[in-house]
Amino acid sequence: RKEVEQDPGPFNVPEGATVAFNCTYSNSASQSFFWYRQDCRKEPKLLMSVYSSGNEDGRFTAQLNRASQYISLLIRDSKLSDSATYLCVVNNRDSNYQLIWGAGTKLIIKP
Amino acid sequence: EAQVTQNPRYLITVTGKKLTVTCSQNMNHEYMSWYRQDPGLGLRQIYYSMNVEVTDKGDVPEGYKVSRKEKRNFPLILESPSPNQTSLYFCASHPDRVNYEQYFGPGTRLTVT
Repeated sequence: RKEVEQDPGPFNVPEGATVAFNCTYSNSASQSFFWYRQDCRKEPKLLMSVYSSGNEDGRFTAQLNRASQYISLLIRDSKLSDSATYLCVVNNRDSNYQLIWGAGTKLIIKP
Repeated sequence: EAQVTQNPRYLITVTGKKLTVTCSQNMNHEYMSWYRQDPGLGLRQIYYSMNVEVTDKGDVPEGYKVSRKEKRNFPLILESPSPNQTSLYFCASHPDRVNYEQYFGPGTRLTVT
């Protein structure tokens, strides 16, 4: 089992819709969680950190469920510019705080 | 402008011909990493460095070397490249052990024939 798993997609979503995807992690010692966004053939960029209490940044909401070991990302009122691959990232205290990256979920927003 | 730079951006080479990919950051970050990204596998860490002269292996270090002689530079060396090292490579830095936000370079697309 991969340490961090994501549905690869693609998720094809009409503009204006709400979309959500999850990421599961296997190590219960994981401490920090992040969502990164990666446009095609470009470098990843931090979208948001995920806090225990959940957090919101405009149209984006991230949630953490420690009991079930997953994090989620919700995008409301999706825009064409949201089309990208979303990477889930987890760090483990056990592995010297190394970051473990999911393979990403591809999102395509259609007009 | 705060940034991480990598060179070259694209490289096609032949098996066994030594190459170096340079990485430089201007943010005075302590931590630097090299990743490779392959379809369906996500980013995998090759090596990382916690400060000058301090480096350690990541998940996939075989066939690679690094050095950190100065804080800003972290070159990746392939002594004898092989076709299975064809990949997209990213250099990244982050400020310290607490602040994990990764700042990435633009990537180097390497093809080994």
